[in-house]
Amino acid sequence: AQTVTQSQPEMSVQEAETVTLSCTYDTSESDYYLFWYKQPPSRQMILVIRQEAYKQQNATENRFSVNFQKAAKSFSLKISDSQLGDAAMYFCAYRSAAGTYKYIFGTGTRLKVLA
Amino acid sequence: NAGVTQTPKFRILKIGQSMTLQCAQDMNHNYMYWYRQDPGMGLKLIYYSVGAGITDKGEVPNGYNVSRSTTEDFPLRLELAAPSQTSVYFCASRASGGTYEQYFGPGTRLTVT
Repeated sequence: AQTVTQSQPEMSVQEAETVTLSCTYDTSESDYYLFWYKQPPSRQMILVIRQEAYKQQNATENRFSVNFQKAAKSFSLKISDSQLGDAAMYFCAYRSAAGTYKYIFGTGTRLKVLA
Repeated sequence: NAGVTQTPKFRILKIGQSMTLQCAQDMNHNYMYWYRQDPGMGLKLIYYSVGAGITDKGEVPNGYNVSRSTTEDFPLRLELAAPSQTSVYFCASRASGGTYEQYFGPGTRLTVT
């Protein structure tokens, strides 16, 4: 069965600095999708960025980018120029590209942004 | 554009009571999901549906039931509530294929005492 591990329960970053959140996963599949979701205090889950495993190029969305290392099964999220509004829980998620309709979520990393 | 809506936002139940958490989406998505999020944990899948009339169990289905009579609605039924069901419940939906992005509702905080 697939698993997703986020080993950093909490991270802090100074405003305007860069922070990297870690995510590793375990799977025997070769085709899958990976996601980072943000959950602010409002509890609303918001998609931050998505990566298709068959794409070698790392996904980027404005200040958010990923470092996808397929062989190492690593999918880290880099937030550049951190803003106070980035403070939230961040969840890494995995979805197989075939068969199952299920998403596997990590336990989350709480990001604090210091003014 | 409402997206995914959930009612109620908060609820307190006594042990043994039953209730239904409502979820509706207006995006014509075939796939819908129910998750629970316990404190300090990620989301655990309770049930999911791939279309009207089709539902299946997720990781933690015990104590819950679902139905999907329409594309829009996916209610979650709690029978005989127990303290272990105290959690935040999220409903999500997604379109067939494409980006596989899930759209989440705002959640329901349920406390069973």
